[in-house]
Amino acid sequence: AQKITQTQPGMFVQEKEAVTLDCTYDTSDQSYGLFWYKQPSSGEMIFLIYQGSYDEQNATEGRYSLNFQKARKSANLVISASQLGDSAMYFCAMREGPDNAGKSTFGDGTTLTVKP
Amino acid sequence: DAGVTQSPTHLIKTRGQQVTLRCSPKSGHDTVSWYQQALGQGPQFIFQYYEEEERQRGNFPDRFSGHQFPNYSSELNVNALLLGDSALYLCASSSAPGQGSHEQYFGPGTRLTVT
Repeated sequence: AQKITQTQPGMFVQEKEAVTLDCTYDTSDQSYGLFWYKQPSSGEMIFLIYQGSYDEQNATEGRYSLNFQKARKSANLVISASQLGDSAMYFCAMREGPDNAGKSTFGDGTTLTVKP
Repeated sequence: DAGVTQSPTHLIKTRGQQVTLRCSPKSGHDTVSWYQQALGQGPQFIFQYYEEEERQRGNFPDRFSGHQFPNYSSELNVNALLLGDSALYLCASSSAPGQGSHEQYFGPGTRLTVT
C-alpha cells in the first residue's frame, strides 16, 4: 500500500526567505507520480508541481522546486522568496497506475505561515 | 475554459438522510475521482469513474456510491448519513490512463455538515 508522511504539522517562514516542506513516501510500485498541492482556507486544492518516478531532473515551476531523492524516498517542496499569499496548507500526494492516472494518496499536510 | 465545478457549495443534512453531490469535469477530461477530506486531514480517495464505470475504489462502505454520465459529469451519493460523514468532498478530473497525462484538477469542494 502507498503511504505519504509529512512530519511538519506547521511551519513558519519570514517573507522573502526560502522554506522546505518535507515529504517521504512508501510504495512498492516502480512507476509513480509525486505531487504537491496548496490548499488555502477556501478549500480548493491547487496543483503546484509534479515529479515522475523516472524523471532524472528535479521538477521546477516558478518559485517551486521539488527535491526528489529516490533512494531516500523523499520529495521535499522548496518554496523560494516566500510571499504572504503562500500562507496555506500544503499536501504531498502520490498517484499510482498507468500514466500515474490512478488514485491519489495524500499526506496529512503542513500548515505554512509566512510572517511579514 | 471552465475548470472543475461542484455543487452545492455547502450542505447541511440530518443523520440518516441521503445526499447527492455533483461534479462537472474540466473540459477535455473524461475521468472523475472523488475524495473525502475530514477537518485537519488530507483527502481520502473514495472512488474513480471512467467510461461510466467505477474503476477504483477506496476503503469506504457501500453507503457511498457514484455514477458517471455520458457527458463525463459525476454524482456522489451517500446514504444513511452519519455524523462522521461531515467533511469537505472534493472532485478531481483527469484524463484516462493511456492518454499520457498525469494532471489532476480539483474542484472547490462541497462542505457537508451532518447534524
